[in-house]
Amino acid sequence: ETGVTQTPRHLVMGMTNKKSLKCEQHLGHNAMYWYKQSAKKPLELMFVYNFKEQTENNSVPSRFSPECPNSSHLFLHLHTLQPEDSALYLCASSPEPGTQYFGPGTRLLVL
Amino acid sequence: GQQVMQIPQYQHVQEGEDFTTYCNSSTTLSNIQWYKQRPGGHPVFLIQLVKSGEVKKQKRLTFQFGEAKKNSSLHITATQTTDVGTYFCAGNSGGSNYKLTFGKGTLLTVNP
Repeated sequence: ETGVTQTPRHLVMGMTNKKSLKCEQHLGHNAMYWYKQSAKKPLELMFVYNFKEQTENNSVPSRFSPECPNSSHLFLHLHTLQPEDSALYLCASSPEPGTQYFGPGTRLLVL
Repeated sequence: GQQVMQIPQYQHVQEGEDFTTYCNSSTTLSNIQWYKQRPGGHPVFLIQLVKSGEVKKQKRLTFQFGEAKKNSSLHITATQTTDVGTYFCAGNSGGSNYKLTFGKGTLLTVNP
């Protein structure tokens, strides 16, 4: 159904680990996004990339580090996370300002 | 910054009843979008409204954009169990701004 894929789908990591989330879109879109979805909170925009350039960093802690090598791929590098960072991390892409196509998400648990 | 409020937070209905969720923005929007997220799933785009006072229909779903482009609603007629999920509105302030501000969503449950 979705032209946006994310790996891994589930991840458990300790606070001292380093891991990376990967997102790939097959829709030819220009913009890609990272969102955090926690229980009882709105979808929180983390980063926006437009044509590989970061256009938005929504005051995200430096323990989250995005990377966008090209318009089809987006990574989120994680290190020294906290338990409160446990959430569903969603990647999305869009062809223009507005309409977003979400991937299935990575459910992250930080122990 | 821009805020988008959505009510109610939860709504439980009997199958066949109607359902409405409302969305209000603190600022005038260029457009507003609606998404549906099934339990355990990811948000899926439903529709985008751009014009002041616009009304769009998708089968049993009716979407409205307010005249002032600050509020919107989603109405479902004769709900079905397949309508279960969380409905989010998301506002865009326009221009070259790719940022969407999402409401907290309304979780709809339907009793068969």
